[in-house]
Amino acid sequence: DIQMTQSPSSLSASVGDRVTITCQASQDISKYLNWYQQKPGKAPKLLIYDASNLETGVSSRFSGSGSGTDFTFTISSLQPEDIATYYCQQYDNFPPYTFGQGTKLEIK
Amino acid sequence: QVQLVESGGGLVKPGGSLRLSCAVSGFTFSDYYMSWIRQAPGKGLEWVSYISSSSSYTKYAESVKGRFTISRDIAKNSLYLQMNSLRAEDTAVYYCARNLNGSFDYWGQGTLVTVSS
Repeated sequence: DIQMTQSPSSLSASVGDRVTITCQASQDISKYLNWYQQKPGKAPKLLIYDASNLETGVSSRFSGSGSGTDFTFTISSLQPEDIATYYCQQYDNFPPYTFGQGTKLEIK
Repeated sequence: QVQLVESGGGLVKPGGSLRLSCAVSGFTFSDYYMSWIRQAPGKGLEWVSYISSSSSYTKYAESVKGRFTISRDIAKNSLYLQMNSLRAEDTAVYYCARNLNGSFDYWGQGTLVTVSS
């Protein structure tokens, strides 16, 4: 199975900050990576698909990049409503689909 | 609009069984693969199973293979997960989700399954 490793596990930042989360795959997954946002008590929401494509209706302050084994998720200017846990997920080699362990984002 | 609504969760004893349902609306159910994904309390996301649009293919995580069965009823616009031989480690919120090209683009609100004596 492909292992997905996110860093950091938690992150505290101020409103307006640029925030970056990384996700590393245990083997080459090309561009087959998605990013999700999960707010407390809610279901995850798809933000980015195919590593860099913004899901319809999602704010343009979210972006993704990378290919192969190393990927980056960026919030260009942190807003209070962005407080959530973020997950990466690979679909190059499935089953199983595998998720990163999550990055919990808090406001400083 | 697209809606997925899970039901059937609850408290069950180890070794027991439970059947989860997911009622969908707002899209052509028969066009999409569907998945179950779970999240143990305070933990991350774990894909559990998927079923093809025609029900021809089903796949399972190793952790549930042989104990869980996914199915769908096109006429009822419903997805199911039959869970047998439940263990404490199956305790989680179970989400149904629509598959689209390797992503999960719509999710239900989840249903909590607690396995405890």
